[in-house]
Amino acid sequence: QKEVEQDPGPLSVPEGAIVSLNCTYSNSAFQYFMWYRQYSRKGPELLMYTYSSGNKEDGRFTAQVDKSSKYISLFIRDSQPSDSATYLCAMGEYGNKLVFGAGTILRVKS
Amino acid sequence: GAVVSQHPSRVICKSGTSVKIECRSLDFQATTMFWYRQFPKQSLMLMATSNEGSKATYEQGVEKDKFLINHASLTLSTLTVTSAHPEDSSFYICSARARFRVGQPNYGYTFGSGTRLTVV
Repeated sequence: QKEVEQDPGPLSVPEGAIVSLNCTYSNSAFQYFMWYRQYSRKGPELLMYTYSSGNKEDGRFTAQVDKSSKYISLFIRDSQPSDSATYLCAMGEYGNKLVFGAGTILRVKS
Repeated sequence: GAVVSQHPSRVICKSGTSVKIECRSLDFQATTMFWYRQFPKQSLMLMATSNEGSKATYEQGVEKDKFLINHASLTLSTLTVTSAHPEDSSFYICSARARFRVGQPNYGYTFGSGTRLTVV
């Protein structure tokens, strides 16, 4: 079993839809959680960072962490074609390396 | 915010030659740098972790003599792919981390823009 599981998609949605991206993990020692966006042939760009259970909102993005269920989500409201990218979840323990999910390909159609 | 510059963005080399990729932290001191490899439509695979002034720690299955990592200063790390072969063709990405402080938002991992290596 992988430490972090993420459905690779692709996920296709119409413009304006609410997108839900998810990851599950098995290591209860993970303390912080991140979501990265990666456009084709570019390095990952940090979208959200959180280290506690609950919701964190930043503009159209909401990150949700449920440590009891070992489940994290990223919600994108009012999705735009420019949101089309690969979304990677990542998590880790303080001072240790990050563990990445496989990435979910998102396609927002206009 | 933290910025990491990675060069070159794209390189084509002949089989048997060596290629050096640079990763610089522009506005912070990177105590730790990570090198990743990414195959098409796959996630990031950690190759090695380097701390400034010490030898890199390689992940299992990564040949340290083939992928030479140098982290001589707090702002620069280099990855040299020695005697490159077509199977080394991939997307290489570096990531830099400042001294980590509990509760400090994101001063964790900032990624470079990646280097597309093609070995012909």
